[in-house]
Amino acid sequence: DTEVTQTPKHLVMGMTNKKSLKCEQHMGHRAMYWYKQKAKKPPELMFVYSYEKLSINESVPSRFSPECPNSSLLNLHLHALQPEDSALYLCASSQDRQVSYEQYFGPGTRLTVT
Amino acid sequence: AQSVAQPEDQVNVAEGNPLTVKCTYSVSGNPYLFWYVQYPNRGLQFLLKYITGDNLVKGSYGFEAEFNKSQTSFHLKKPSALVSDSALYFCAVRDMDSSYKLIFGSGTRLLVRP
Repeated sequence: DTEVTQTPKHLVMGMTNKKSLKCEQHMGHRAMYWYKQKAKKPPELMFVYSYEKLSINESVPSRFSPECPNSSLLNLHLHALQPEDSALYLCASSQDRQVSYEQYFGPGTRLTVT
Repeated sequence: AQSVAQPEDQVNVAEGNPLTVKCTYSVSGNPYLFWYVQYPNRGLQFLLKYITGDNLVKGSYGFEAEFNKSQTSFHLKKPSALVSDSALYFCAVRDMDSSYKLIFGSGTRLLVRP
């Protein structure tokens, strides 16, 4: 199984809402990532988890809160977002966080903040 | 400063003709180079990578890329384009200041016409 799944596919939320994005992989990968992608732009790294521990936070605002409950799951909790946070949120995984290992991406969650 | 450039926003090619998507990089040291493809409303898919070894790298779906150190290039090629190859292509290079981060190019949209 070389698939990364993400739910939901689409999410519309108001600026006062709390919601969560979910990501799952069953490839035994030890590194998992969250990216943000604006339309027609490359993805921007947000967080890196390595062996279920937060390894890297790319100076992401605290209204985004990642969580890794176990080695297969990655969540992104959202609270008090701004309209400019509307984007495609991509989850990825790789065998290890060393960049020589290719990353496998999920289909993404398209988030709209109203 | 490290960077990767994709000089063409869009490449148009007729089905059956060879295609080239260009990528140049600027990094210190030995680069790790990657190509990813993104189909509409999907996540990125890994195509191929160059870490070391043979300068000609073969990847998924009949794509290949040639690492040229003197020209600091890593162009993506395919001998015969398919309409289904139409997508957004990203070149990426390892961020030499970290072991975990990729620097993505701005992306090139490939349009293969029947």
